[in-house]
Amino acid sequence: ILNVEQSPQSLHVQEGDSTNFTCSFPSSNFYALHWYRWETAKSPEALFVMTLNGDEKKKGRISATLNTKEGYSYLYIKGSQPEDSATYLCAARIGSARQLTFGSGTQLTVLP
Amino acid sequence: DTEVTQTPKHLVMGMTNKKSLKCEQHMGHRAMYWYKQKAKKPPELMFVYSYEKLSINESVPSRFSPECPNSSLLNLHLHALQPEDSALYLCASSQDGGYGYTFGSGTRLTVV
Repeated sequence: ILNVEQSPQSLHVQEGDSTNFTCSFPSSNFYALHWYRWETAKSPEALFVMTLNGDEKKKGRISATLNTKEGYSYLYIKGSQPEDSATYLCAARIGSARQLTFGSGTQLTVLP
Repeated sequence: DTEVTQTPKHLVMGMTNKKSLKCEQHMGHRAMYWYKQKAKKPPELMFVYSYEKLSINESVPSRFSPECPNSSLLNLHLHALQPEDSALYLCASSQDGGYGYTFGSGTRLTVV
């Protein structure tokens, strides 16, 4: 059984704070790690796809890093805004599998 | 068109009813997926279709019956469901399994 774990499960921060959360995945036969942003009643939206150890991706105030040797990825949000409130899902593709295996998400609430 | 459209958005059905969920995409994606998500849990893979053929069935009970009539359309036929089948059903598509997904916004199913 392939386990993808995310922590924390939920997080409340004040507007302007920076924050980060973790995704851990099996490091053997790793292929790719995906991050999605999911607002309530909407479709999950792709943020990043990372494949190489040491990869770092950035999109505005959001960035992500990848460590494939130890099996984790961090997602960082700098200067959180209320519109960043969403569930952030990570998903791993391992080996030759076509499908992604998801974590349970980190629910972020940014308080004005 | 860069969307995956799922209908209906909400569905309430009795345990003796027969209903269907529909998923449509016009991006030319050849892999399509059904996931089931319960609150605070990761989305769980149910079925994968690749080039209109069922390639993965994650030991899903036969009361769930997938169908892929053409490359743009994926259905999930429901019959004799149980209350514990109440969940969010997400459809996704991808170019060929190895890429990230484009998601629909899901169908919220309640079995009474």
